[in-house]
Amino acid sequence: DTAVSQTPKYLVTQMGNDKSIKCEQNLGHDTMYWYKQDSKKFLKIMFSYNNKELIINETVPNRFSPKSPDKAHLNLHINSLELGDSAVYFCASSQLGPNADTQYFGPGTRLTVL
Amino acid sequence: KNEVEQSPQNLTAQEGEFITINCSYSVGISALHWLQQHPGGGIVSLFMLSSGKKKHGRLIATINIQEKHSSLHITASHPRDSAVYICAVRNYGGATNKLIFGTGTLLAVQP
Repeated sequence: DTAVSQTPKYLVTQMGNDKSIKCEQNLGHDTMYWYKQDSKKFLKIMFSYNNKELIINETVPNRFSPKSPDKAHLNLHINSLELGDSAVYFCASSQLGPNADTQYFGPGTRLTVL
Repeated sequence: KNEVEQSPQNLTAQEGEFITINCSYSVGISALHWLQQHPGGGIVSLFMLSSGKKKHGRLIATINIQEKHSSLHITASHPRDSAVYICAVRNYGGATNKLIFGTGTLLAVQP
């Protein structure tokens, strides 16, 4: 069974469109994350939710809106897509706590904005 | 300057060689992670450590908290070890579990 799944795997769209990426984890973890990996393969945290509550928001444009309907799901909606949004977006989950810190990553969603 | 620096950025090795990848950080941390990203894109957590040394198969990770430095070693390297290896640190304090990532080391092991 897949621990952290994301859909879609690939997303190609035009500038100005609105799109969503979905993430689900079946690990029973309390915390979920969205990361962006740029063309140089650099990973950066975007958002983190703990039990459906936003706990990290790393100065991401407000065109990006995460939504967590329950603690197993964290979706990412992007409005008015721009060329610079092209990247690979990774969802991850972990169980909070100093000894339960390992993060489990989804397979990534490659977003291409034309 | 990035808070987490890795070296080298690129590394090519022959099968069987002993490999070392280094990570230095400038912030207070509660834990350091080593991640592996294969050419297919998936990211896997290899180690999480806050002191000393951990070993898993042919992989060994060490950390020196005083020197703010960690190393990832691969013994008897194999072409299937070819991947990007990423160091990440968890900021000290708070419950946000935020990771700060290094820029990664691209390893190519040739047969």
